[in-house]
Amino acid sequence: AQKVTQAQTEISVVEKEDVTLDCVYETRDTTYYLFWYKQPPSGELVFLIRRNSFDEQNEISGRYSWNFQKSTSSFNFTITASQVVDSAVYFCALSFSGGYNKLIFGAGTRLAVHP
Amino acid sequence: KAGVTQTPRYLIKTRGQQVTLSCSPISGHRSVSWYQQTPGQGLQFLFEYFSETQRNKGNFPGRFSGRQFSNSRSEMNVSTLELGDSALYLCASSQTGSHEQYFGPGTRLTVT
Repeated sequence: AQKVTQAQTEISVVEKEDVTLDCVYETRDTTYYLFWYKQPPSGELVFLIRRNSFDEQNEISGRYSWNFQKSTSSFNFTITASQVVDSAVYFCALSFSGGYNKLIFGAGTRLAVHP
Repeated sequence: KAGVTQTPRYLIKTRGQQVTLSCSPISGHRSVSWYQQTPGQGLQFLFEYFSETQRNKGNFPGRFSGRQFSNSRSEMNVSTLELGDSALYLCASSQTGSHEQYFGPGTRLTVT
């Protein structure tokens, strides 16, 4: 069975702090895809990144970075020098080769960045 | 390119009624998926359509159904509404061969 766990329900930081959002996944498939989405108060899910199971390279995009470790089944997301605009709910998700585009989401982590 | 659009954005229905929600994917995207988001259950996959065929279905009762048209637009229907169907319904589209899904703004359904 496939499962995504985001153990942190809520995180509160002050602007300019670095923050890491944790994501642990379970799957027996050897080919799978991992995602992060951001959901601001407006409700729309905004795509941030996709990672393939066969590509463990970490990725950096501006203030955002992602650390994918198959050995620990984790795909963590770090925001450097957080800003108030980063306040949102962040979801980690998993899809697998036999499931077409079906996404299995974690429960989400609500991030509040205070000025 | 225009993003995924969903109509209506807000809807209030009474228990027992039925409702139809619409989703227009990004131009060129042939896969459309639907998700339900509630505070208690989180984000759950409803179904996916590709080239007018349902190719994957989540664990929802038969009251939830959908279809896709030749222009890739999709509709989902919920019959005999229950209070527990109150949720944000999100539609996502994807390009063939890509595993990246792009979401619309959602339809917030309230059942009273």
